Amino acid sequence: QKEVEQNSGPLSVPEGAIASLNCTYSDRGSQSFFWYRQYSGKSPELIMFIYSNGDKEDGRFTAQLNKASQYVSLLIRDSQPSDSATYLCAVKGGGADGLTFGKGTHLIIQP
Amino acid sequence: EPEVTQTPSHQVTQMGQEVILRCVPISNHLYFYWYRQILGQKVEFLVSFYNNEISEKSEIFDDQFSVERPDGSNFTLKIRSTKLEDSAMYFCASSEHFAFTGSNEQFFGPGTRLTVL
Repeated sequence: QKEVEQNSGPLSVPEGAIASLNCTYSDRGSQSFFWYRQYSGKSPELIMFIYSNGDKEDGRFTAQLNKASQYVSLLIRDSQPSDSATYLCAVKGGGADGLTFGKGTHLIIQP
Repeated sequence: EPEVTQTPSHQVTQMGQEVILRCVPISNHLYFYWYRQILGQKVEFLVSFYNNEISEKSEIFDDQFSVERPDGSNFTLKIRSTKLEDSAMYFCASSEHFAFTGSNEQFFGPGTRLTVL
């Protein structure tokens, strides 16, 4: 049974600070790792993906992957109130595998 | 920017009735997926579809479910005899072909809220 674990939060961060979101996964065969943002009542919106160990930066977002520790993280720099949402970690094997999602971390950016 | 579309946005049905949820994936994408999210719970994979056949399916995707690509643009999910516990948001997603592009990111549609009474 593939599992993806996230702290459900809420995680409260002051505006302008760095928000740090974490995720662990159980399946060592996982090949692709994704962070989605989901606003209440809306669909998941892809914000970052990472395939290789290390860091990947895209604007204010940095994804970090450590396959040995089965750990994925997302850093959001200069957090804005509009970043307040639930952040979903998802992992995938190869081919046409579906995504396995965590339950998400509820992030609140306090003005 | 291309996007996945889904219809209807909200479907209300009686228990035991058949429903068909429709999706139009992004036009150059070759992999198609259905997920569901029961209120307050995590997003769950149902099925993936490639080259006009099911590639993978989860334990949730039992004989009550079927998928079809009836033409070059639509991708449908049918639930034959709905149960109360089928009430959920159903999301369609699509992705490019990894072997061609090195990319397998999945892009989600806005979802169909299914309410079974």
